[in-house]
Amino acid sequence: DTAVSQTPKYLVTQMGNDKSIKCEQNLGHDTMYWYKQDSKKFLKIMFSYNNKELIINETVPNRFSPKSPDKAHLNLHINSLELGDSAVYFCASSRDHSTDTQYFGPGTRLTVL
Amino acid sequence: KQEVTQIPAALSVPEGENLVLNCSFTDSAIYNLQWFRQDPGKGLTSLLLIQSSQREQTSGRLNASLDKSSGRSTLYIAASQPGDSATYLCAVNQTGANNLFFGTGTRLTVIP
Repeated sequence: DTAVSQTPKYLVTQMGNDKSIKCEQNLGHDTMYWYKQDSKKFLKIMFSYNNKELIINETVPNRFSPKSPDKAHLNLHINSLELGDSAVYFCASSRDHSTDTQYFGPGTRLTVL
Repeated sequence: KQEVTQIPAALSVPEGENLVLNCSFTDSAIYNLQWFRQDPGKGLTSLLLIQSSQREQTSGRLNASLDKSSGRSTLYIAASQPGDSATYLCAVNQTGANNLFFGTGTRLTVIP
């Protein structure tokens, strides 16, 4: 009964490839997020979706495209992977997008060779 | 733009000591502030959330305070244990931004 789950946990791939990371939450939350944690462990928001609609899109290259097929899922697709995309990507969810606690998934460690 | 700073970056204490972790933020227009714990190679676990109207929150040996006007929060850990060793992150949910701005974290080591 994992609250926020991500797959895969580890992803190693070559530069130029296209890959996807999946996220699912079973908490019944309306809002989901993607964060990137870089090599210095700094966490930064990438995207936020509320009820399947994009709310936030920070300065993220358009090679990154989130897809929300329903409220419980927010997948992250990355085209033409670059070395600098190597990081840990965290999915999170919350009941709403302002006042509630955010619950995080276990993270996906992406390594681009 | 909101900036969140945590001091110190790393802290080592002997088991049983009480300790305080500090967090400061530049824009006081926030919905809430949240403290997280991150174990190596793991995700984030929410510890405490303080709404902007609150001054403090307590959970077990943890107590978090918030002084919104001065842009500061502290996380107090009583009677520290080796199992408390982790990185502690504070994050502010800024009004109008609808996402969390994270600090760089404090890496805590509790020595048995």
